[in-house]
Amino acid sequence: EAGVVQSPRYKIIEKKQPVAFWCNPISGHNTLYWYLQNLGQGPELLIRYENEEAVDDSQLPKDRFSAERLKGVDSTLKIQPAELGDSAVYLCASTGSGSSGELFFGEGSRLTVL
Amino acid sequence: GDSVTQMEGPVTLSEEAFLTINCTYTATGYPSLFWYVQYPGEGLQLLLKATKADDKGSNKGFEATYRKETTSFHLEKGSVQVSDSAVYFCALSFAGRRALTFGSGTRLQVQP
Repeated sequence: EAGVVQSPRYKIIEKKQPVAFWCNPISGHNTLYWYLQNLGQGPELLIRYENEEAVDDSQLPKDRFSAERLKGVDSTLKIQPAELGDSAVYLCASTGSGSSGELFFGEGSRLTVL
Repeated sequence: GDSVTQMEGPVTLSEEAFLTINCTYTATGYPSLFWYVQYPGEGLQLLLKATKADDKGSNKGFEATYRKETTSFHLEKGSVQVSDSAVYFCALSFAGRRALTFGSGTRLQVQP
């Protein structure tokens, strides 16, 4: 069974440019998360989806970040415009009803803003 | 709010040494507790978990016991290997929120 798939793995952009990250969760997992991981830190939740509904987006900086999960399967996280401080790894994770609280993570998308 | 505090790294050990990585938490109520591991170039993966007080999680020779009295979930291994070199994250979650709150991670380096 395929794990959580994220793309791109690496992205380098100039500040003020837009960037988008894509995530395909494990098949059958209704809950999808986007986490932000700064260098040397633990992941921090940005947004959680239950199917297509964003049920926890209190930590998402809505002035420049947006996310969508239109059909309740894959998801896109967008930053527009990017700032130098957005350089980090963006992690996607998913879980299903039978996972006993375990989250399954993708390998992450590393963003560098120059 | 909820938070997790881990000992700072890096922790450098020789092969076959005993490992302890300390983790304490602050939370209202009784969360489930987890240890995740991130090997170089790979995604985070669950190492072990415990869902209630006095539970012991174990996997791959690692163990951690949920201590309600001390709000701790220390990770231990009796004999580390070079292949255990990774970053270890302690985390908590509540069933209602279904999202993990992570500590800052502890890098373990095991030398041959």
